[in-house]
Amino acid sequence: QVQLQESGPGLVKPSETLSLTCAVSGYSISSGYYWGWIRQPPGKGLEWIGSIYHSGSTYYNPSLKSRVTISVDTSKNQFSLKLDSVTAADTAVYYCARVPHRGASLVWFDPWGQGTLVTVSS
Amino acid sequence: QSVLTQPPSVSAAPGQKVTISCSGSSSNIGNNYVSWYQQLPGTAPKLLIYDNSKRPSGIPDRFSGSKSGTSATLGITGLQTGDEADYYCGTWDSSLSAWVFGGGTKLTVL
Repeated sequence: QVQLQESGPGLVKPSETLSLTCAVSGYSISSGYYWGWIRQPPGKGLEWIGSIYHSGSTYYNPSLKSRVTISVDTSKNQFSLKLDSVTAADTAVYYCARVPHRGASLVWFDPWGQGTLVTVSS
Repeated sequence: QSVLTQPPSVSAAPGQKVTISCSGSSSNIGNNYVSWYQQLPGTAPKLLIYDNSKRPSGIPDRFSGSKSGTSATLGITGLQTGDEADYYCGTWDSSLSAWVFGGGTKLTVL
């Protein structure tokens, strides 16, 4: 079955860049689907960050678009997130997920990775 | 402030039924499919309902979804203590070209 696993530093300094990778197993990214990042600040709700197709086509959350870059590496069967100029407000558990689509619309998130906590602090 | 509006909390007794609402607009729920996610304490969200009312393999039929106009509803019957979790709705917003989640609803099984 498809499994996703997030990895990356658990601590990032303010103003620096947060970088995470999501390794996919059990399915080839090149075969289709969008692949997405979602985050959840401690004690708060879910926030979609953005999603990428294997071709590199992306959708980003308008509120984060100026700071976010999502890329895909089909040779390693993984995709990555970079979030620039982080502040304490970016402290959250970051999840990755597979995202089916219909035309220009994303339709659901399944499965999800277990999530990784990233804390922004000096 | 979430684009989709959910009640912060709902509660019911074991064995009873509960519904969770998700209200949006024509640019999101009104013209796109809704999905629902269950997040048990300390775990990642899990897909519960997709395409408004379909259940993934392994999800019991105690869970149901429906949509009418610009609102969607998650129903849970035969409540169990193990259903205590946060529930989120989500859908595509065609005006924003972005995915939007509801603020989440905490279910307490008394």
